[in-house]
Amino acid sequence: EAQVTQNPRYLITVTGKKLTVTCSQNMNHEYMSWYRQDPGLGLRQIYYSMNVEATDKGDVPEGYKVSRKEKRNFPLILESPSPNQTSLYFCASSSRGLGAYEQYFGPGTRLTVT
Amino acid sequence: GQSLEQPSEVTAVEGAIVQINCTYQTSGFYGLSWYQQHDGGAPTFLSYNALDGLEETGRFSSFLSRSDSYGYLLLQELQMKDSASYFCAVRPPTLSSGSARQLTFGSGTQLTVLP
Repeated sequence: EAQVTQNPRYLITVTGKKLTVTCSQNMNHEYMSWYRQDPGLGLRQIYYSMNVEATDKGDVPEGYKVSRKEKRNFPLILESPSPNQTSLYFCASSSRGLGAYEQYFGPGTRLTVT
Repeated sequence: GQSLEQPSEVTAVEGAIVQINCTYQTSGFYGLSWYQQHDGGAPTFLSYNALDGLEETGRFSSFLSRSDSYGYLLLQELQMKDSASYFCAVRPPTLSSGSARQLTFGSGTQLTVLP
């Protein structure tokens, strides 16, 4: 089954404690992205990756890091989480070209930073 | 920067037709997509318009006018299960660095379908 998986689905942590949210896709997609979703603000892109070892900042990259060492995985790293990073996070993947318009989303990770 | 405007809420009754508009406040973009998101769920792709005009997929249709930087999603024969948030998304122009940009999403329209 074609899918994007994220772990963990729910996470409560404290300010400053480094964490990683994993994302994996089994569709051999080139493009992968991370979004955060906050009430009234829609989906805002954090980082995206065009392929292995090729990443770029989205609209709200501050406080986040990513890496793309393998095509299927695109982890999101919060080195020192702060309460303003409490949000719902989605990973997404898509193929190149026109296929980039059809993104496949993971189930989401609800993060709370206290 | 880029921004997309959508109505925040729309309410309609079962069996009705509803139109959700989306306007894009910048020049130049590559196509308009629509996504559906139920409460607590992941966004799912509905449709994509690369060219001006109407695209139909079952009960859902999507329209794009590049000259007006405007599009809409049309939902016909509304069902209770259509109650969800609907997002339009555009792919902004390529960055000056040459990097391709991924999708920019609107803030979403909450559709409530009443019995």
